Amino acid sequence: AQSVAQPEDQVNVAEGNPLTVKCTYSVSGNPYLFWYVQYPNRGLQFLLKYITGDNLVKGSYGFEAEFNKSQTSFHLKKPSALVSDSALYFCAETGANNLFFGTGTRLTVIP
Amino acid sequence: EAQVTQNPRYLITVTGKKLTVTCSQNMNHEYMSWYRQDPGLGLRQIYYSMNVEVTDKGDVPEGYKVSRKEKRNFPLILESPSPNQTSLYFCASSLSLAMGPYEQYFGPGTRLTVT
Repeated sequence: AQSVAQPEDQVNVAEGNPLTVKCTYSVSGNPYLFWYVQYPNRGLQFLLKYITGDNLVKGSYGFEAEFNKSQTSFHLKKPSALVSDSALYFCAETGANNLFFGTGTRLTVIP
Repeated sequence: EAQVTQNPRYLITVTGKKLTVTCSQNMNHEYMSWYRQDPGLGLRQIYYSMNVEVTDKGDVPEGYKVSRKEKRNFPLILESPSPNQTSLYFCASSLSLAMGPYEQYFGPGTRLTVT
């Protein structure tokens, strides 16, 4: 069965430090992968996506993600974390007619 | 402004009392979907619609109904709500007829409590 894994429920990072939120996917071949962010009391917002091509994808708010086919990973990264980046982050991959989400990682950026 | 709207945002109801959560999008999207979000489980798809009059089950369809009579609207119906349907519900829409590299736009969510 298709699945997306986010191995960390919680990630804490100090403001100004680089951050990484991990994601591994299951589909073989050429997956379509997404990152979404959810701020408190809000719906999910699209951050970035990987379709094909360059393994480093740049998205909104200074985020980027690195696609690694050999490790089936799509980790979200940012060079310098902001307190305002504190939120719940979801990785997702496309199925035939739907989107499979990971369980989410709560990122807390400590001032 | 391009958006997905849901109503109500918050709802407390009792077991067995039929309810409808409305969803509307103004982006002329073909694909619409309902998800529920539960702690530790992420988002799980309830139903989706590829176009008007075309709907299909997602991963957790039991206890829910949907309809797609107009392109912009995709209501979620709980005929006889039960406490295990207490959750946070999101409606989403996407440009694509078939899922591909098109991101989904999410509504603000409906927090439902069934007592």
